[in-house]
Amino acid sequence: AQKVTQAQTEISVVEKEDVTLDCVYETRDTTYYLFWYKQPPSGELVFLIRRNSFDEQNEISGRYSWNFQKSTSSFNFTITASQVVDSAVYFCALSDQLMVGTASKLTFGTGTRLQVTL
Amino acid sequence: DAGVTQSPTHLIKTRGQHVTLRCSPISGHKSVSWYQQVLGQGPQFIFQYYEKEERGRGNFPDRFSARQFPNYSSELNVNALLLGDSALYLCASSLGLAGVTEQFFGPGTRLTVL
Repeated sequence: AQKVTQAQTEISVVEKEDVTLDCVYETRDTTYYLFWYKQPPSGELVFLIRRNSFDEQNEISGRYSWNFQKSTSSFNFTITASQVVDSAVYFCALSDQLMVGTASKLTFGTGTRLQVTL
Repeated sequence: DAGVTQSPTHLIKTRGQHVTLRCSPISGHKSVSWYQQVLGQGPQFIFQYYEKEERGRGNFPDRFSARQFPNYSSELNVNALLLGDSALYLCASSLGLAGVTEQFFGPGTRLTVL
């Protein structure tokens, strides 16, 4: 069975600090996809990144960076120089290998609430 | 382009009633998925429809049903509502079957069961 664990329930940082959100996943599939979503207070999930299991390159997008380590089944997310607008709940999610004709659902972690204060 | 839209935004029902939630996907997207998000938890997969056929079902009772229309919009129906059905119901659309392509989420319908 698939499982995503986000051990950090809540993190509080002061603006401009760097913060890393941890994500550990479990799957028996060899091909899978990993995602990060942001959920601001408005409730709408905002897509941040998708990674497939064969691409272990780290990625940087502005102040956001992602560290995918297959050996430890982790897909951590770092925000550099955090800002108040980064305050939200962040979800890590896993999608299993797609079989032709069947659905591939997203399995979400329980989320990490990030609070950035001035 | 318009994103995923859901209606209504909020809904209050009493136990035993029935509810219908609606979702319109992004234009050109053929897949719609439904998720239930209980307060303080991550979204839980309910259904996925692709090309008007059910392609996946999560661990939810038969009180939950859904369908997809020829224009790819979708309805989620919940019968015999229980207090535990109170949650944010999220709809997501994608070009193809979810997992390969990213899912784009709507703002959700917040259902309160009294």
